[in-house]
Amino acid sequence: QVQLVQSGAEVKKPGASVKVSCKASGYTFTGYYMHWVRQAPGQGLEWMGRINPNSGGTNYAQKFQGRVTMTRDTSISTAYMELSRLRSDDTAVYYCARAPGWYDCWGQGTLVTVSS
Amino acid sequence: SYVLTQPPSVSVAPGQTARITCGGNNIGSKSVHWYQQKPGQAPVLVVYDDSDRPSGIPERFSGSNSGNTATLTISRVEAGDEADYYCQVWDSSSDHGVFGGGTKLTVL
Repeated sequence: QVQLVQSGAEVKKPGASVKVSCKASGYTFTGYYMHWVRQAPGQGLEWMGRINPNSGGTNYAQKFQGRVTMTRDTSISTAYMELSRLRSDDTAVYYCARAPGWYDCWGQGTLVTVSS
Repeated sequence: SYVLTQPPSVSVAPGQTARITCGGNNIGSKSVHWYQQKPGQAPVLVVYDDSDRPSGIPERFSGSNSGNTATLTISRVEAGDEADYYCQVWDSSSDHGVFGGGTKLTVL
């Protein structure tokens, strides 16, 4: 079955970077865009960007331009999202989601806590 | 940037019909997708492409989209339907994903 498994929770200090992984299984990794969505505590869903696992091409939300980098390693069917210069308001659950046009499969989420 | 507007909350008694709206400029020209999210869980797709249901989603969940409003309709609401619901579109003019602010469905 299609599955996305994300890396574990992280605690970071302000100004640091975090890299979250998302390992795909049960389908052809290069056949579907992978998107990243985050959710701050008690807040709604926020689209961060996407990567084409086949070409490596990316689109990022303007809000994160310059701070986010999405990459992939096709040999291990894994997508990555790295967010730099972390601030306290980056504290959130970060999700990867497979996108055949809509998000039909989501990772379990990775809690990133930014605190001094 | 494209904006989707949802009511913050909707309340309905068990067995009744809940309707959750999602407003956007000419949203009828876009494909709208809906997600259900229960506390502490990842979102789950309940309707895609305006009105299609993924396998495993009950027929009680349906969608429509026209003009400036898309609607998720949940018939014969059950206690287990209590959750946050989000609409989502792809804004092709900016190549960005867009989510509505979410609607908390309360089953009275």
